[in-house]
Amino acid sequence: DADVTQTPRNRITKTGKRIMLECSQTKGHDRMYWYRQDPGLGLRLIYYSFDVKDINKGEISDGYSVSRQAQAKFSLSLESAIPNQTALYFCATSEASGSRTQYFGPGTRLLVL
Amino acid sequence: GQNIDQPTEMTATEGAIVQINCTYQTSGFNGLFWYQQHAGEAPTFLSYNVLDGLEEKGRFSSFLSRSKGYSYLLLKELQMKDSASYLCAVRHSGNTPLVFGKGTRLSVIA
Repeated sequence: DADVTQTPRNRITKTGKRIMLECSQTKGHDRMYWYRQDPGLGLRLIYYSFDVKDINKGEISDGYSVSRQAQAKFSLSLESAIPNQTALYFCATSEASGSRTQYFGPGTRLLVL
Repeated sequence: GQNIDQPTEMTATEGAIVQINCTYQTSGFNGLFWYQQHAGEAPTFLSYNVLDGLEEKGRFSSFLSRSKGYSYLLLKELQMKDSASYLCAVRHSGNTPLVFGKGTRLSVIA
């Protein structure tokens, strides 16, 4: 079984709809992250959480919100989706010590019409 | 702030050696990472450097010079399956997420 899972893997939605992307991990890591990836722009950080009670904005948090329901779960919501939120979304996790290498989930491909 | 630069695209021949460079400017430094990403897939961890010098891992090696703000990823004995994007990422302190460069798309040709 994969250590970091994301659901759904693909999603098509319409402008104005609220959607939630979910991330779960079995690695036992405290830290979790949400990134989006667009062609030519690389990976950009949306939000991150270092434990259940900790939420931090990243570089591009406008239009997004997150919830850390448990150590193993970190959800990303688009309250009112817009077409320029069409992108590939990745969840990642890391330990809180050592190299703190980030490990990525398989990604969610989102299309907003 | 942080600025990470790497070439956009490179092409190399199967069996050859290729070096992908990464330069960075950051207010602090706590490690440099290289990831491989095949099209449409998740980035996968390749290497981590926090001290100056060369880290070797099979066909892949990564080098770091902190004073120059410079790293490279060296891929030897290139195979077609090495065609992918290679992402350089920097962490500027122990309590900050990675910041990624835009990636270098490597094409391996016969």
